[in-house]
Amino acid sequence: NAGVTQTPKFQVLKTGQSMTLQCAQDMNHEYMSWYRQDPGMGLRLIHYSVGAGITDQGEVPNGYNVSRSTTEDFPLRLLSAAPSQTSVYFCASRVRQGGDYGYTFGSGTRLTVV
Amino acid sequence: DAKTTQPPSMDCAEGRAANLPCNHSTISGNEYVYWYRQIHSQGPQYIIHGLKNNETNEMASLIITEDRKSSTLILPHATLRDTVVYYCIVIRDDKIIFGKGTRLHILP
Repeated sequence: NAGVTQTPKFQVLKTGQSMTLQCAQDMNHEYMSWYRQDPGMGLRLIHYSVGAGITDQGEVPNGYNVSRSTTEDFPLRLLSAAPSQTSVYFCASRVRQGGDYGYTFGSGTRLTVV
Repeated sequence: DAKTTQPPSMDCAEGRAANLPCNHSTISGNEYVYWYRQIHSQGPQYIIHGLKNNETNEMASLIITEDRKSSTLILPHATLRDTVVYYCIVIRDDKIIFGKGTRLHILP
């Protein structure tokens, strides 16, 4: 049981490039979400999914796309990277049903856009 | 969204109990309070959670007021490794909205 796995751990992009941040979980969790964290700030919700085929926007969705074709994977796509997207990105998952379940977070992807 | 309010920073002497407060006045009856910690640039790590009763595990204790509008995380014997950021969160509609958390400073 690997938990939540994020790849890559580090990435440098040039402005305008596109890329996909990968997130996979092996816990059969229905709920998955993406957060970004800027220096000195808390985590901000980008997109989330409550199950395969269902996604929705969070607080800061602009510039990012997601899809959820399987329960295990929830990739985050940057269509045209901008310096403002330089941040640390965290993926999280949980069992959806009920209120007594917390989140498991991945170890993060540190993205720099130059 | 279920907002929580925490002081931005707190100090605690090493070896003493650290008491971290959180206000969650808009919490609903079936919503749990969760506490996480985050070591610099690592993913947040679960500490403890509760609904209405006080809870204790090997890491910490959680005291929830009777009206459930606030709670306190207690680290019984603070060590230097506890110098990290602590987040109090409420999950509403499957979403966590994080605040900025409390940065705990353990003083030797």
